[in-house]
Amino acid sequence: NAGVTQTPKFQVLKTGQSMTLQCAQDMNHEYMSWYRQDPGMGLRLIHYSVGAGITDQGEVPNGYNVSRSTTEDFPLRLLSAAPSQTSVYFCASSYTQGVEKLFFGSGTQLSVL
Amino acid sequence: GDSVTQMEGPVTLSEEAFLTINCTYTATGYPSLFWYVQYPGEGLQLLLKATKADDKGSNKGFEATYRKETTSFHLEKGSVQVSDSAVYFCAFETSGSRLTFGEGTQLTVNP
Repeated sequence: NAGVTQTPKFQVLKTGQSMTLQCAQDMNHEYMSWYRQDPGMGLRLIHYSVGAGITDQGEVPNGYNVSRSTTEDFPLRLLSAAPSQTSVYFCASSYTQGVEKLFFGSGTQLSVL
Repeated sequence: GDSVTQMEGPVTLSEEAFLTINCTYTATGYPSLFWYVQYPGEGLQLLLKATKADDKGSNKGFEATYRKETTSFHLEKGSVQVSDSAVYFCAFETSGSRLTFGEGTQLTVNP
């Protein structure tokens, strides 16, 4: 059982570039979410999804897009990268439609120059 | 607004020392409370949780009690090990679909 898989592990972008962070889970979880982790600020929710075809905004959604075409995948798109998006990004999933127990991926370290 | 305040780190202890990491929250109602742990190079893992007042969550020797009157959920362990070195996050369920996290407390345990 792979759990929650995030790719890539590390990425460097130039300002204005776009990219997609991938997240896949093989646990048939309904709920998936993206968080960013910044020093001294804990984790902040970017977007989440309670099932295929359903997405919603979290606390810090600006500059990011998501879609959920399948139960397994929940990619996060950066439309035009900015230095303020330098962060560690975590994908998390849960077997319910809530947050009773989140399973986290190992993270993507993103630097925007 | 909703928020979590955690004890400032980093915390450095010797092996077998007693650990307390303080956590208080500001929220509407009585949310479920969680402690997550992040080991170096890994994602967060659920350590323990409590869903109502006076509940005690426990796992791997760690404990935390849901104190409604002080809006607190302090993490404790009687005897820490080197393998407990990690970052610890307090969190509560803001709604059915999101958690609010504290800023995390780095714990280092020396042999």
